[in-house]
Amino acid sequence: KNEVEQSPQNLTAQEGEFITINCSYSVGISALHWLQQHPGGGIVSLFMLSSGKKKHGRLIATINIQEKHSSLHITASHPRDSAVYICAVASMDSNYQLIWGAGTKLIIKP
Amino acid sequence: DAGVIQSPRHEVTEMGQEVTLRCKPISGHNSLFWYRQTMMRGLELLIYFNNNVPIDDSGMPEDRFSAKMPNASFSTLKIQPSEPRDSAVYFCASSLAYDGGELFFGEGSRLTVL
Repeated sequence: KNEVEQSPQNLTAQEGEFITINCSYSVGISALHWLQQHPGGGIVSLFMLSSGKKKHGRLIATINIQEKHSSLHITASHPRDSAVYICAVASMDSNYQLIWGAGTKLIIKP
Repeated sequence: DAGVIQSPRHEVTEMGQEVTLRCKPISGHNSLFWYRQTMMRGLELLIYFNNNVPIDDSGMPEDRFSAKMPNASFSTLKIQPSEPRDSAVYFCASSLAYDGGELFFGEGSRLTVL
């Protein structure tokens, strides 16, 4: 079993829909990262969080340390949100050696 | 700030040739990472520098790979000799903090070894 599990693996939705991507992990962590990668493109850090909730524009990230679970929400989704969303955790043992999820491929149809 | 700058963006070379990938981190960032991304293995950390010193190179696949950071504003990843299985996208990332801060990635260097 992978230490970081993302669901769903693939998600297709219509423009305007509310999107939720989940990340569960099995190790003790110091921080959790959400990143975005467009096809053939670079990787952009969206959030780094260790507790609670963060919001940036239409994106919201939450984390529940007790349940070892994080969610990334996208409100009013748009075709430009189509990308792979990656969850990665920094374990207590090594802050710089991230454990990566497999990614969630999101397609937003107009 | 221009962000993390990598070059070249694309490189096609023949097996046995030397490949040098370059990275300029964000000014003031003291941590630098080289990652390799493939379809099969996802993102793998190759090497981590802090204050220009290699801290962890356990991810470097073999002696054909080497990395240097001669100063705070420049790092190279060299593959010599290159092999087809080295074909991947190589990302450089920098961070302000030693203790797992937010990562800023470059656009990546897509390497194809024929």
